Amino acid sequence: AQTVTQSQPEMSVQEAETVTLSCTYDTSENNYYLFWYKQPPSRQMILVIRQEAYKQQNATENRFSVNFQKAAKSFSLKISDSQLGDTAMYFCAFMKHYDMRFGAGTRLTVKP
Amino acid sequence: NAGVTQTPKFQVLKTGQSMTLQCAQDMNHEYMSWYRQDPGMGLRLIHYSVGAGITDQGEVPNGYNVSRSTTEDFPLRLLSAAPSQTSVYFCASRHPTNDEQFFGPGTRLTVL
Repeated sequence: AQTVTQSQPEMSVQEAETVTLSCTYDTSENNYYLFWYKQPPSRQMILVIRQEAYKQQNATENRFSVNFQKAAKSFSLKISDSQLGDTAMYFCAFMKHYDMRFGAGTRLTVKP
Repeated sequence: NAGVTQTPKFQVLKTGQSMTLQCAQDMNHEYMSWYRQDPGMGLRLIHYSVGAGITDQGEVPNGYNVSRSTTEDFPLRLLSAAPSQTSVYFCASRHPTNDEQFFGPGTRLTVL
């Protein structure tokens, strides 16, 4: 079974600075999807960014970008120009067909 | 579009009671799923459905039943609630082409 590991339970960053959240996964599959989800205190799960494993180019969405290293099975999230609204839990997720696995999450606090 | 809706938002049960968590989506998505979220853990897949009349087990299916009689609705049944089922439950549906998952607002369930 696939596993997803987020090794940083908590992180903090100053407003306007850059922070990188780590994620590694274990799979024998070649084609799959990877996601980062944000969960603010409202509990709503919000998609931040997605990456198809067959694409070598790293995905970007405005201030959010990923560093996808397929051989190393690593999928880190970089948040640039951090904002107070970025304070949330962030979950890394792996998906193959109908099976989706989540990491335990990283609690990010953006400090003013 | 209302997206994915869940009812109730909160529920307290006594051990042995049964109940149904409701989930509905208005996006005509074939794929729907149920997750539970426990403290210190990411979301774990309970059951999923790839269309009306088709359901399958996920990572943690024991103690839960599902059915899918329509595309819109995907209820989750607890037949005999146990304290180990205290959790936050999320329903989700998946876009058919880009695989983005849309999550409901969640149900916080406490079993005493």
